[in-house]
Amino acid sequence: GQNIDQPTEMTATEGAIVQINCTYQTSGFNGLFWYQQHAGEAPTFLSYNVLDGLEEKGRFSSFLSRSKGYSYLLLKELQMKDSASYLCAVSGGATNKLIFGTGTLLAVQP
Amino acid sequence: DTEVTQTPKHLVMGMTNKKSLKCEQHMGHRAMYWYKQKAKKPPELMFVYSYEKLSINESVPSRFSPECPNSSLLNLHLHALQPEDSALYLCASSQGGAYNSPLHFGNGTRLTVT
Repeated sequence: GQNIDQPTEMTATEGAIVQINCTYQTSGFNGLFWYQQHAGEAPTFLSYNVLDGLEEKGRFSSFLSRSKGYSYLLLKELQMKDSASYLCAVSGGATNKLIFGTGTLLAVQP
Repeated sequence: DTEVTQTPKHLVMGMTNKKSLKCEQHMGHRAMYWYKQKAKKPPELMFVYSYEKLSINESVPSRFSPECPNSSLLNLHLHALQPEDSALYLCASSQGGAYNSPLHFGNGTRLTVT
């Protein structure tokens, strides 16, 4: 089976840095994705990690440690529009099955 | 603007009704997906079509029936639903497999079963 855990909620201040953690246990591993979902909208793709290390994309970075079953999403220079739910999703095995974690609701305050 | 189009945006149906959700993409993606999302919960995988063939059915009740008429279209036929089936139904597509290709989601159909 698969188990993907994230904190339920986080709060951060505009202009600050926030790290959202994700731990996973899956039968097989092909990659880890991060998605952003604003309330009432569709999830949108943020990042993809398949090898260990840090992937940087503008204000967003994502880290993966396969041996620890751990990833984090780092958001820098937070803006109010970053208030959203952040979903960690893992693909395991040679299938088209992408399973989402519980999601972290981030609130950015002035 | 999303490149995956879902219709209708909202749907209210009774437990004896038959309705269909529609999804369309013109990105040439070969995999298409149905996810169900309840409020404040992550999307749950329902079905996966790969090259127009059903490749994954996550033990979804038979009152949900998927159909993939061609590589651009994906339908979800609904019959004899229960109130607990009320949710946001998301369609997605990907260029390759979900193991290494990001999913592109539509804006969803918000379904209410009365």
